Amino acid sequence: NAGVTQTPKFQVLKTGQSMTLQCAQDMNHEYMSWYRQDPGMGLRLIHYSVGAGITDQGEVPNGYNVSRSTTEDFPLRLLSAAPSQTSVYFCASGDLTNYGYTFGSGTRLTVV
Amino acid sequence: KNQVEQSPQSLIILEGKNCTLQCNYTVSPFSNLRWYKQDTGRGPVSLTIMTFSENTKSNGRYTATLDADTKQSSLHITASQLSDSASYICVVRPYYGGSQGNLIFGKGTKLSVKP
Repeated sequence: NAGVTQTPKFQVLKTGQSMTLQCAQDMNHEYMSWYRQDPGMGLRLIHYSVGAGITDQGEVPNGYNVSRSTTEDFPLRLLSAAPSQTSVYFCASGDLTNYGYTFGSGTRLTVV
Repeated sequence: KNQVEQSPQSLIILEGKNCTLQCNYTVSPFSNLRWYKQDTGRGPVSLTIMTFSENTKSNGRYTATLDADTKQSSLHITASQLSDSASYICVVRPYYGGSQGNLIFGKGTKLSVKP
């Protein structure tokens, strides 16, 4: 009963580097999403997916890519990291009624 | 623009006391309203979910109320415990033309319970 697993928990990148934040869920949820949380702001949706092979943009998609090749995994890619992408990133999953999202424990990313 | 506003921003109470957190929203129409608890360094955890037609929902010492006419919700915490120290986030799911929209998050209320 792992729920939603995010890796890594902490990461420091240099400006211009690329990396992938991993998210995996074992609840067979169709819906998965990525949020970022910044001080003094509510969580903001980056990208989401309603099933394997289907992704869509959220409120703040610029600078991020996603793919959904399996139901279980939903990685978030930063192609060229910028200091503005310093944030805490949360992955969440739920069934398509979207009641009761389950969130991961987060990835704290610092871009220097 | 659809918004979710929470008050107060932060609150300090003594262990054993009750408290009430407020949420005002402009999202209309909406499908459901949720309250989440977020411990420091952790992801949000769902406390209650209410549809637009529900007025109250309880989860142990947590009771959420919803007044759709005034577009207000509150979260009441009874007999607070040190473990209640966390941020509490109000979240509204809009309803657009027959389908549910993406969640809209408030900024949260940071609650500190002191012994």
